[in-house]
Amino acid sequence: SQKIEQNSEALNIQEGKTATLTCNYTNYSPAYLQWYRQDPGRGPVFLLLIRENEKEKRKERLKVTFDTTLKQSLFHITASQPADSATYLCALDKQAGTALIFGKGTTLSVSS
Amino acid sequence: GAVVSQHPSRVICKSGTSVKIECRSLDFQATTMFWYRQFPKKSLMLMATSNEGSKATYEQGVEKDKFLINHASLTLSTLTVTSAHPEDSSFYICSARAEGQSTGELFFGEGSRLTVL
Repeated sequence: SQKIEQNSEALNIQEGKTATLTCNYTNYSPAYLQWYRQDPGRGPVFLLLIRENEKEKRKERLKVTFDTTLKQSLFHITASQPADSATYLCALDKQAGTALIFGKGTTLSVSS
Repeated sequence: GAVVSQHPSRVICKSGTSVKIECRSLDFQATTMFWYRQFPKKSLMLMATSNEGSKATYEQGVEKDKFLINHASLTLSTLTVTSAHPEDSSFYICSARAEGQSTGELFFGEGSRLTVL
């Protein structure tokens, strides 16, 4: 069956460092992969989408990589700030053009 | 960007009562909306796909008679939890894609926290 795994439930880093979060998937052949941010008690907010033919995508301090051979995406936040503390979710289409299926998320805590 | 509004944000009800949650797309039309459920420290679980003008498609294990979904217009979908019980207490979140976009990012509502006493 299809599976999305975000291996780290929690990640604690110091302000200014780079946070790296991992998303692995099995039994999928996704055309693209997405990353969302979720704050406590709120709905997820879209951050980045990367397509299967893109190896890397950047947006300000965020960078996402997508390796379809390894079936893995890495999500980086450079120069992290306490305001980056949140849960980050990786997501794939259940089937093309349908709902998203989410990983369990990684809760990032950035301390000053 | 596209905005999805969800109401109420919090609701407390007695066991056995029914609760309705509304999800509106404010500045776009959504032929399809998605309802998710989230338990504490767990991921979002897809409950159903809500289609305007037709029946919702439910995920395996989700009781369609318990979680009634109505997609009455291109901007409104409702989820009714019927005869709620404490185990239905959860965070319910709706989402939609912008019109004309069959793939890509989802826009989420703020979520509705249901507590059943």
